Formats: sequence, structure tokens, C-alpha cells
Amino acid sequence: EADIYQTPRYLVIGTGKKITLECSQTMGHDKMYWYQQDPGMELHLIHYSYGVNSTEKGDLSSESTVSRIRTEHFPLTLESARPSHTSQYLCASRRQGGNNEQFFGPGTRLTVL
Amino acid sequence: AQRVTQPEKLLSVFKGAPVELKCNYSYSGSPELFWYVQYSRQRLQLLLRHISRESIKGFTADLNKGETSFHLKKPFAQEEDSAMYYCALRGSGGSYIPTFGRGTSLIVHP
Repeated sequence: EADIYQTPRYLVIGTGKKITLECSQTMGHDKMYWYQQDPGMELHLIHYSYGVNSTEKGDLSSESTVSRIRTEHFPLTLESARPSHTSQYLCASRRQGGNNEQFFGPGTRLTVL
Repeated sequence: AQRVTQPEKLLSVFKGAPVELKCNYSYSGSPELFWYVQYSRQRLQLLLRHISRESIKGFTADLNKGETSFHLKKPFAQEEDSAMYYCALRGSGGSYIPTFGRGTSLIVHP
């Protein structure tokens, strides 16, 4: 079944650790996005990609990096986690053209101690 | 720059009452507006978009370019409408990256 997956769903980690949040989609979408979601705040775009080997930074300054080596895979890496990175991270994808609907993954809840 | 404002963080109504979730935007071109919804323990998902002019789960939203608004309305709220609602704008040029508002939490009491 076509879907968008995120792992892990929950992660508690200590300051200074390197972590990678995984996002995969089997929908055949070219465009993929990473958002940060905090209660009562806008969804902030962290990174996006238009396709393989294409990555761009979003409007939220972040110490994270992304890669897009395969169409279906868009991992987000934090080289050194800090408590300020504690948040919900949402991955989304969208088909080129179409009705511009974004499809969201279930999210990863990250807590940095 | 494009911006989306949802002035209410929380909207609390009783079942059967009318609901209006406000969304105002700023954008110099022709925007494309969306409402997304996130029910408890579920994913964020599209509710409706202004281009399709449809009613979904009894909700409608009309784009008012004069007032730069895209308010979401439902005449009779149901308990299952309780959720987080996000208004989003996608510009017509540039990178087509959507901008989301901060969301409004709708609580419908029995």
C-alpha cells in the first residue's frame, strides 16, 4: 500500500548524540519535505527536496542536514543533538503537478535530554 | 513574503453550534489555500482546498481576496470534529513551498 513512513516514532536521546530520523515513501512522489511541529506554533519547514540529489533549506534555521540519494528516501540527520531540538518532526511528500496536496507521515517525537 | 495568520489558538463550542475557524493571509500574487486537519493520534491530512470548492465533512471555506481570508465554516459542529486545524498557503510562483499557520485547536463539547 502506498504510504509514507517515519522511524523511529519516539526517540529520547542525550545531548551531543548524532541521530538520523528516517522517512520513506512508497507513493512515487518527487517532492519531499521535513517540518518541525511544536504546540501552538506554525509548522516550520526545515528542508525540502524536488527530487534525487536535490535538497534545499527551509525557512527555519536548523543544524540538521538531509540527503536524497533515492526518490523514496529522505533522512534527516542531527550531528549533535541539543535540548532545543526537542520537537515533533513531520515528513511529507507531494506529487509533481496534481492537486498540490501534501501527504504527511506519522511523525517522530524527539526528546533531547 | 507569504504569511498565514490563525488568530485563535483554541476554539471551544458545543455540539450543534456553528463553527468558524479564521484564517487570514498575506501574499502579493494569486495564492492557493488549503485547510489541513489533525485528529488525535492521527496524521496531518488535507481537509479541503479552495480551488476544488467542495464541502468535506460538512466544512466549507471560501477564499475572499478582498479581505485576504479563507475562513473554515461548519453550520453544526459534531464531537468528531474536535481536532487541530491548520490553514496553509501555497504561492503561485517561486519555489511553491507552502506556508502553514500555527493552527487552531477545535474542541466540540457534547
